[in-house]
Amino acid sequence: DVKVTQSSRYLVKRTGEKVFLECVQDMDHENMFWYRQDPGLGLRLIYFSYDVKMKEKGDIPEGYSVSREKKERFSLILESASTNQTSMYLCASSSITGSTGFYEQYFGPGTRLTVT
Amino acid sequence: AQSVTQPDIHITVSEGASLELRCNYSYGATPYLFWYVQSPGQGLQLLLKYFSGDTLVQGIKGFEAEFKRSQSSFNLRKPSVHWSDAAEYFCAVASGGATNKLIFGTGTLLAVQP
Repeated sequence: DVKVTQSSRYLVKRTGEKVFLECVQDMDHENMFWYRQDPGLGLRLIYFSYDVKMKEKGDIPEGYSVSREKKERFSLILESASTNQTSMYLCASSSITGSTGFYEQYFGPGTRLTVT
Repeated sequence: AQSVTQPDIHITVSEGASLELRCNYSYGATPYLFWYVQSPGQGLQLLLKYFSGDTLVQGIKGFEAEFKRSQSSFNLRKPSVHWSDAAEYFCAVASGGATNKLIFGTGTLLAVQP
């Protein structure tokens, strides 16, 4: 089974802190994604990466950056956390080939971040 | 631009009753469509997907969905709902090209009454 893990289920940080959210996948997937999920807004794509050291902005990249130094790991960074970044953050990965099917994304359990 | 609409924010059904969750998409070509389920406090799990071929797609947990091109719809159905089906359901469409991105609807929260 594909497994996507996220470093924390719950996180509480103060305004202005630098925050790192880590995501690891064990299926050698090329693509990795970071979403934030807010009630009534569904999932919105923050950043995605299609290869090591490669990244592209999603729909809401402002206030976030990412890092992908190894294929299995994709980090989301909040340079200076603000209260409007309080949200659920979901990581996902997908393969571009193989039996799992193109475009199918596998999700981690999520990190609920609260910024006070 | 591609988009997905889930018109129902909340739905309540009785256990054992049938279920249909609506999804409409906007996409120029043949879409790749997905339904995901999110149980409380969990990540998203894929229920089923449509790429091509038979327009009635079977998924896990007894769910099915029907692709109707003329109506731009991909509604999710289950003939008899169980209490464990209470969750939030998301419809998604692939954005096309090589980016492998998905565009999600805003979700439908399903409550199941005993």
